[in-house]
Amino acid sequence: DAKTTQPTSMDCAEGRAANLPCNHSTISGNEYVYWYRQIHSQGPQYIIHGLKNNETNEMASLIITEDRKSSTLILPHATLRDTAVYYCIVRVVGAGNMLTFGGGTRLMVKP
Amino acid sequence: KAGVTQTPRYLIKTRGQQVTLSCSPISGHRSVSWYQQTPGQGLQFLFEYFSETQRNKGNFPGRFSGRQFSNSRSEMNVSTLELGDSALYLCASSPGLAEETQYFGPGTRLLVL
Repeated sequence: DAKTTQPTSMDCAEGRAANLPCNHSTISGNEYVYWYRQIHSQGPQYIIHGLKNNETNEMASLIITEDRKSSTLILPHATLRDTAVYYCIVRVVGAGNMLTFGGGTRLMVKP
Repeated sequence: KAGVTQTPRYLIKTRGQQVTLSCSPISGHRSVSWYQQTPGQGLQFLFEYFSETQRNKGNFPGRFSGRQFSNSRSEMNVSTLELGDSALYLCASSPGLAEETQYFGPGTRLLVL
């Protein structure tokens, strides 16, 4: 699986959009971009994933650049409960369920 | 549907002992993966089981082993515990191998003294 690079930490004001970047410049054509988050001491939670088109669900939006070398996770209206470590992962779907986690971004939502 | 359940939630052992952790996947899910999370190494993949067969294995010593039963429940075992095995052990399940989403349990926190 391709390596990802994320900022170590970010702050966001409550109610504002949180934009979390991820660089995956060595991504292959058959690798998807996944986002998970982990709230303190809990198991990781799936957020969203995409291949090359932008995706949106009830939790977040995923914007993938046209060359697929980077992406941004957007939490449109961050709340204090969104404070967590966010992991960007690239993986090939259909080749097993192993996830390779990097260090992630620690997002702190402040009142 | 009930989520992924892991037992026990907390465990204290001493060096040299062995431990068995249990994971019950979401009903209907046949793939179970295990991960170890430590402050120093982060989240690391241990192994994955599907239909009672180990499909993938991470870079861990042979002291770490696992198995999956016919009802998809899984156990992992760590023998001859070391202090460095203190960690949060997480289990994740998904319907199959080609699935897009894995669902994680709350984890078992193991402390080795």
